[in-house]
Amino acid sequence: GESVGLHLPTLSVQEGDNSIINCAYSNSASDYFIWYKQESGKGPQFIIDIRSNMDKRQGQRVTVLLNKTVKHLSLQIAATQPGDSAVYFCAETLMNTGFQKLVFGTGTRLLVSP
Amino acid sequence: KAGVTQTPRYLIKTRGQQVTLSCSPISGHRSVSWYQQTPGQGLQFLFEYFSETQRNKGNFPGRFSGRQFSNSRSEMNVSTLELGDSALYLCASSLATKNTGELFFGEGSRLTVL
Repeated sequence: GESVGLHLPTLSVQEGDNSIINCAYSNSASDYFIWYKQESGKGPQFIIDIRSNMDKRQGQRVTVLLNKTVKHLSLQIAATQPGDSAVYFCAETLMNTGFQKLVFGTGTRLLVSP
Repeated sequence: KAGVTQTPRYLIKTRGQQVTLSCSPISGHRSVSWYQQTPGQGLQFLFEYFSETQRNKGNFPGRFSGRQFSNSRSEMNVSTLELGDSALYLCASSLATKNTGELFFGEGSRLTVL
């Protein structure tokens, strides 16, 4: 699955830096948010999720922050590694749809230099 | 545990033809969703099937259809192909529990319409 776009916003970082990828979501009624990572030639891979009753959730080297007031989501990656290079998508949905009907953002390409 | 398998991986069709894509979900997963990925529109939800029933549908014309079999395998069909249908078609499966919306994506079927 090649990811995406001809004009993706790109974030370039050095290995070991922390990365912050931002996303503005569209539907104020959305109550479930997910970050996916898509490497070249592959389908998207789940990274972390957060429900609207939370502001922050942490995983292994990743943190997702949710600001419902301004409809903003961010993904923080600690100690970024070359293997983190990929396109990152945020997605939103309503839990009462069964989680499956995701609305994806346009994506951000993360480039990590050794 | 085998992942989501999509066939064929690549195919070329001409305008007016129809195409059928196949998806085998992860064993035990009852929900199968389909997404279209293009450089211009990004990732867009097509439809979702659960226990052989279409549970959610995106905003695509009726030329796009799908079905799910009793073993959870799914197919999608596009009739009267148009140039704009050229895309990567991604299938995703999930356990469809109420606790997580984690989707497991296949590597996609890349359709080129000439």
